Amino acid sequence: GAGVSQSPSNKVTEKGKDVELRCDPISGHTALYWYRQRLGQGLEFLIYFQGNSAPDKSGLPSDRFSAERTGESVSTLTIQRTQQEDSAVYLCASSLGWGLTGELFFGEGSRLTVL
Amino acid sequence: SQQGEEDPQALSIQEGENATMNCSYKTSINNLQWYRQNSGRGLVHLILIRSNEREKHSGRLRVTLDTSKKSSSLLITASRAADTASYFCATETGATNKLIFGTGTLLAVQP
Repeated sequence: GAGVSQSPSNKVTEKGKDVELRCDPISGHTALYWYRQRLGQGLEFLIYFQGNSAPDKSGLPSDRFSAERTGESVSTLTIQRTQQEDSAVYLCASSLGWGLTGELFFGEGSRLTVL
Repeated sequence: SQQGEEDPQALSIQEGENATMNCSYKTSINNLQWYRQNSGRGLVHLILIRSNEREKHSGRLRVTLDTSKKSSSLLITASRAADTASYFCATETGATNKLIFGTGTLLAVQP
């Protein structure tokens, strides 16, 4: 597609359930990023991929969070046993990933609400 | 942890006035970028300035970088109501391709 696509755009779930958030980056972009943004706050780095590898997972808040990327394309962020503090907008971004990061292209985000 | 912090946290101005936002960061950087966010959803890239550059312009935007003070400023001239948004600085450091965002400035331009 022309831009970064994220799904679902909105997800309401019950505490304790697992959720999967999907990101389709711009075709040809080798770098892919996940950020979390709580209401009224800045962006919190979660993880980034270079190709299918994740050189830096330091931002994942706990072992309930995991992410994978396949085919140097689609990425899935999985949150197991969701908690109310996981409620946030999860933003995905991609970039060409050559050398210095350069410009990131963002999707519209997936808004997660945990009841 | 946050690398950058924007100042002020919120700014309200009248249409036609200039808006200045500042960003301070903690460690040496490769580059610094500014992004805009409407309605808490996707961010849009505005401008990138490399560590060896001191000033950059793009339309009504002017960005400065002072690496000795570890700070950057974003100036929006002749502001419009449509400029109302949150503005974030983001820095890339070291050998990683990781971009860390600041806390953001909420700009309100009154018509």
